Amino acid sequence: EPEVTQTPSHQVTQMGQEVILRCVPISNHLYFYWYRQILGQKVEFLVSFYNNEISEKSEIFDDQFSVERPDGSNFTLKIRSTKLEDSAMYFCASITGFLSYEQYFGPGTRLTVT
Amino acid sequence: GNSVTQMEGPVTLSEEAFLTINCTYTATGYPSLFWYVQYPGEGLQLLLKATKADDKGSNKGFEATYRKETTSFHLEKGSVQVSDSAVYFCALSERTNAGKSTFGDGTTLTVKP
Repeated sequence: EPEVTQTPSHQVTQMGQEVILRCVPISNHLYFYWYRQILGQKVEFLVSFYNNEISEKSEIFDDQFSVERPDGSNFTLKIRSTKLEDSAMYFCASITGFLSYEQYFGPGTRLTVT
Repeated sequence: GNSVTQMEGPVTLSEEAFLTINCTYTATGYPSLFWYVQYPGEGLQLLLKATKADDKGSNKGFEATYRKETTSFHLEKGSVQVSDSAVYFCALSERTNAGKSTFGDGTTLTVKP
């Protein structure tokens, strides 16, 4: 069964550093998403991406965040200057977009900012 | 906007007990409804789903019925096992919001032998 993959599984970085989290969505999916889950809290929507542009973003997704689909397979989330409060699990998800809105989630990347 | 409200946890049950985790939602359109399970240190696994009113999603002994009249999607299992201990998230997604998912706060279930 096709699945969403994410790398790395765990990233440790120092405050102020840039990080790039990578995702490979399912190949025939058209909509892509990033979500965040701070430890022990609920899963929060960050951004949705369709047709090579952001279709919606939450108030969490400020100027420090950006997303890109550089090569038609990868979908990346960049945090330009990490803060301690960016420490969380980041999930990528994708959907086909037309007949089904079931989101296929990746396994997540745990980001630890020290 | 959309929202999902789950019963507060944590929930502690003995093995073979009956489980209910309540979930209600508000949505601007006609959402699809989901239950996800998250085991310690792991990602989100889709447990079951329902896409229209009166649909019943089921998997691994868990069930939930899409009740449009009460805007609810309560999760039930007749006999829980220790291996069911996890965090359970109710969620919805709908086309009018670019398909994004809105999650409840999660309910932690602990099943004791």
